[in-house]
Amino acid sequence: DGGITQSPKYLFRKEGQNVTLSCEQNLNHDAMYWYRQDPGQGLRLIYYSQIVNDFQKGDIAEGYSVSREKKESFPLTVTSAQKNPTAFYLCASSIATGTEYGYTFGSGTRLTVV
Amino acid sequence: GENVEQHPSTLSVQEGDSAVIKCTYSDSASNYFPWYKQELGKRPQLIIDIRSNVGEKKDQRIAVTLNKTAKHFSLHITETQPEDSAVYFCAASGSYQLTFGKGTKLSVIP
Repeated sequence: DGGITQSPKYLFRKEGQNVTLSCEQNLNHDAMYWYRQDPGQGLRLIYYSQIVNDFQKGDIAEGYSVSREKKESFPLTVTSAQKNPTAFYLCASSIATGTEYGYTFGSGTRLTVV
Repeated sequence: GENVEQHPSTLSVQEGDSAVIKCTYSDSASNYFPWYKQELGKRPQLIIDIRSNVGEKKDQRIAVTLNKTAKHFSLHITETQPEDSAVYFCAASGSYQLTFGKGTKLSVIP
């Protein structure tokens, strides 16, 4: 069953702590994306990657970091520099960037600062 | 970069009535316009999309129209049902990613 898997579903972060959100896909998609979702704000792009070992900042990259060592995996680290990390995080993938194909989304990770 | 405006932010309709959600975009180079439905706590799901060489597309009770000259596109849901209640997002293709509207919360009242 092809798709995108995000883990964990819920994550709690203490002040000053880095946390990593996992995103794995078995769709053989080249492009992967991370979005942050806040109520009334829609989906805002954090980072995207077109191919392995390459990634680009999106609109709200400050306080986040990513890696793309494998085609299947695009983990997101929320660093202590992100002052307001509480949000719903969505990972997505597509065949390629800039194409006429929609995204497939993961089921999301809800991150809460405690 | 691309900018997408979506209206209204909330919409309530009686069951059986029609619902219309409108979006405008800024980049005339955008050529792909998908719509996503997101139920509470779940992932967005693609429900319909339209490409720039098409003016209208229909799939059962859902239709999308595109006016490239005016740079706006709309989602039409007919004969609404309670299970249509969700947040709907429009999007437009940019150079490297989709740019999303802020969403419309649709409530269908039985």
